[in-house]
Order: sequence, then C-alpha cells, then structure tokens
Amino acid sequence: AQSVTQPDARVTVSEGASLQLRCKYSYFGTPYLFWYVQYPRQGLQLLLKYYPGDPVVQGVNGFEAEFSKSNSSFHLRKASVHWSDWAVYFCAVRTGFASALTFGSGTKVIPCLP
Amino acid sequence: EAAVTQSPRNKVAVTGGKVTLSCNQTNNHNNMYWYRQDTGHGLRLIHYSYGAGSTEKGDIPDGYKASRPSQENFSLILELATPSQTSVYFCASGGDWGRQNTLYFGAGTRLSVL
Repeated sequence: AQSVTQPDARVTVSEGASLQLRCKYSYFGTPYLFWYVQYPRQGLQLLLKYYPGDPVVQGVNGFEAEFSKSNSSFHLRKASVHWSDWAVYFCAVRTGFASALTFGSGTKVIPCLP
Repeated sequence: EAAVTQSPRNKVAVTGGKVTLSCNQTNNHNNMYWYRQDTGHGLRLIHYSYGAGSTEKGDIPDGYKASRPSQENFSLILELATPSQTSVYFCASGGDWGRQNTLYFGAGTRLSVL
C-alpha cells in the first residue's frame, strides 16, 4: 500500500538560513506527489505538486522540491527562510481512490532563537 | 478562488450524542473527502465521495458515516460520539484524475467529545 514518511517531526531553523524537509514515499508505479503547508488554526494550502516530468518542481514563496525515483524521496527545500515560514509541512502522495491523498505525519518548522 | 466551507468551526459534544459536521464547496468538484488530523498521524482519510449520492470508506471509517446529498455538500456523521473521536476534521474537494487536479481544504472543525 502507498505510504509517506516524514522522519523529522520538528526542524529548527534560523531566519535567513536554508531549509530542507525530508519526505520518503512508498508507491507502486509512478507517484504524483504534493507538499502542503498548514498555518496555525488553518486548513492546508498547496505549496507545490509533482507530476511525471522534470524532477525539480518550483512552488510558491521560493519553495522547491526534488523527486528521486531511486531514493523514493521528494524533499522540500528553501534557500532562505522567512519568519512567515514557521508552520507545519505535509508531504502527500495521490492514491487511486477518487484521487485522494495519503499524508505523512508532518514536520513542524520552528525558529531557532539566539 | 476554490472555496471549501466547513461548519461549525468548533463543536463540543457529549459521549453517546450524535454529531454532524457539514461541508460545502463552490468549486463544482466531483470528489470530496473527510480527513481527521491528530498529532503524530498527519491527516487520515475517513470517507470520500465521487459525486452526489456516492460515499465510500476511507482508511479509518469505523464510527463514522457520510452523506453526499448534492454536488456541493458532504456531511460527516458521528451517530454515537466517543472521546476517541476528539480531533480536528478537515473537508476537501478535488477534481477528477488529471494533471491539474489539486485538493482544496476547508479551515477545519475542532471537535471535542466529553
């Protein structure tokens, strides 16, 4: 069965530093992959999506993700974190059932205060 | 702008009581979904629907029923609420399988069962 693993429950990062969030998927066939962001007390908003093609996908607000079939990964990254990026990030893979998504457990990005 | 509206936003229920969570979408999407979000689990699929009159079981359907009386509306019903169903519930809508298909989420309903 398809599944998504986000191994880091929390990531601490300073404003202006680079960010990478890890995502590993399990899927038989060619996956359609997504990253969503959730701000406090809000629903999920789409950051970017991968369909078969270019392995590097650009999203909103300077985010990008790279698909790797050999590593079964879809890591998210950003070159320079802004305070508005403190949020929870979810990686997801599309299933065959009405195009529903299977989500990872999420990674919370929190500020590293001096 | 795609829109999914959930009501109520917050709900307190008693154990054994009946709870109905409502969702309305103005996207004219065929597919609709109910997820619950719990710490450490991400979002898990409860029920989904392919269109008016259709409801299907997701990954964790036990204790829940769903109703899709029209294209726009999709309800989640807890006939006998239990404290283990305390959670945040999200409704989403999405189009059919295709390159541009994306799920759009509501803001969530926070349910507490006492």
